[in-house]
Amino acid sequence: DAKTTQPPSMDCAEGRAANLPCNHSTISGNEYVYWYRQIHSQGPQYIIHGLKNNETNEMASLIITEDRKSSTLILPHATLRDTAVYYCIVRVALGSWGKLQFGAGTQVVVTP
Amino acid sequence: GAVVSQHPSRVICKSGTSVKIECRSLDFQATTMFWYRQFPKKSLMLMATSNEGSKATYEQGVEKDKFLINHASLTLSTLTVTSAHPEDSSFYICSADDNRNSGRPWADTQYFGPGTRLTVL
Repeated sequence: DAKTTQPPSMDCAEGRAANLPCNHSTISGNEYVYWYRQIHSQGPQYIIHGLKNNETNEMASLIITEDRKSSTLILPHATLRDTAVYYCIVRVALGSWGKLQFGAGTQVVVTP
Repeated sequence: GAVVSQHPSRVICKSGTSVKIECRSLDFQATTMFWYRQFPKKSLMLMATSNEGSKATYEQGVEKDKFLINHASLTLSTLTVTSAHPEDSSFYICSADDNRNSGRPWADTQYFGPGTRLTVL
């Protein structure tokens, strides 16, 4: 399974863009990159996912490098409610029902 | 996004009793659901994959006789912790694939329930 590497923690200023990096150098051609976040004592919340093209939705943007070995999640205007643990996951493809394996994630703290 | 619910949100039970946790996909059908557990300040650990109408597939190290999973319909999966002990106290979270868009499991959006806090005394 392709592993991901994320910084353990990041601080962001409220109102500024938050750029969360993720390395996944062993990703395979048909594996998607997923991002989730978990606020304390809640279930993970889906943010975005992509294969190779950049993706944007109402929550965030996902930028995937051309070689697909790394990606960046961008929260355009961080708010205090964005404080959470953010997980970057390469989703296992064939033969496994697409299960998600969570790593340690990045603890993001948004400060006023 | 799609909604996944769990019931109960919290449960406290005595050692030796069994506890059932329900996971429902409210506005979509889910042929595949997943069960996770999470200890304090730790990441989620996948326990098992539940497929509608067939036996669950357990991750290595997870006791299938202790954690019984039933996926009897396309919107409901249940996890029963049998003969619970204090070490089973944890946060249990389910998820479900919304496969209306692609039908390829690894490309579908997986939505999570709010979790169930189990405390065994």
